[in-house]
Amino acid sequence: QQQVKQSPQSLIVQKGGIPIINCAYENTAFDYFPWYQQFPGKGPALLIAIRPDVSEKKEGRFTISFNKSAKQFSLHIMDSQPGDSATYFCAASWGGTGKLIFGQGTTLQVKP
Amino acid sequence: EAGVAQSPRYKIIEKRQSVAFWCNPISGHATLYWYQQILGQGPKLLIQFQNNGVVDDSQLPKDRFSAERLKGVDSTLKIQPAKLEDSAVYLCASSFGRQAYEQYFGPGTRLTVT
Repeated sequence: QQQVKQSPQSLIVQKGGIPIINCAYENTAFDYFPWYQQFPGKGPALLIAIRPDVSEKKEGRFTISFNKSAKQFSLHIMDSQPGDSATYFCAASWGGTGKLIFGQGTTLQVKP
Repeated sequence: EAGVAQSPRYKIIEKRQSVAFWCNPISGHATLYWYQQILGQGPKLLIQFQNNGVVDDSQLPKDRFSAERLKGVDSTLKIQPAKLEDSAVYLCASSFGRQAYEQYFGPGTRLTVT
C-alpha cells in the first residue's frame, strides 16, 4: 500500500509546548522517512529524516521517533516557537528510487 | 548556492486553455521532479527525470500533461487542455541523484483554472 497516513490534520499549541505529529505506513519496503516544513507561498523544505535502522534522531529542537514494528513514526518539536507555525508533511521513499510519498499534512499554530 | 527556480509564480487561465511551467534546478542536480499539490493535501509526484530521461511518469495524466527536460537541465511542464481540477500548486524539486534522497523544492507555481 503506497500511502502514508498523517495525523492530526491541525494542531494548536502554546509557545514552549511540544507538538507531536504522527504518521503510519503499510509498505515495509519504505526505507527513508523525511519530514518537510512548508510555509505559505513556499515550497517544502527538508527538516529531518530517519532510516528504519534507528529508533530516534534529533536535530536541534526537532526529533523523529521511529517504531518499525508498529510501522509508525512521529515528529516532536521541543520548545515550540511562533516561528514554527507552518504545515508539516511526513513522507516515505524506498529502494533508492528517490520518489517520495507524502502524508496529508498537519497545520501547526504556535500561539505566543 | 542558488535554489530551485520556477516561473511563473502565479497563473490564471480558463478551462480548455493551455499553460506551461518552467523549472531550473540546482546546478549539478541530475534528478528533477514535478509534483502537484492540491490545496490541503501533500504533494503528489507527477514525473521524475534522471538527466534528460524519464524515470517514472506513471502518475502523469498523459492525455493532457506533458513534460520535457531538454539537455538535462531546465524542465517544462505543460497542460493542454486544462480542466478545473488541475487547479493546484505545481512544485519542482531536484536532487543530486536518485539515491540522494534529499530533495530541494522550488517555490511552486499556483495555477487557477476558471
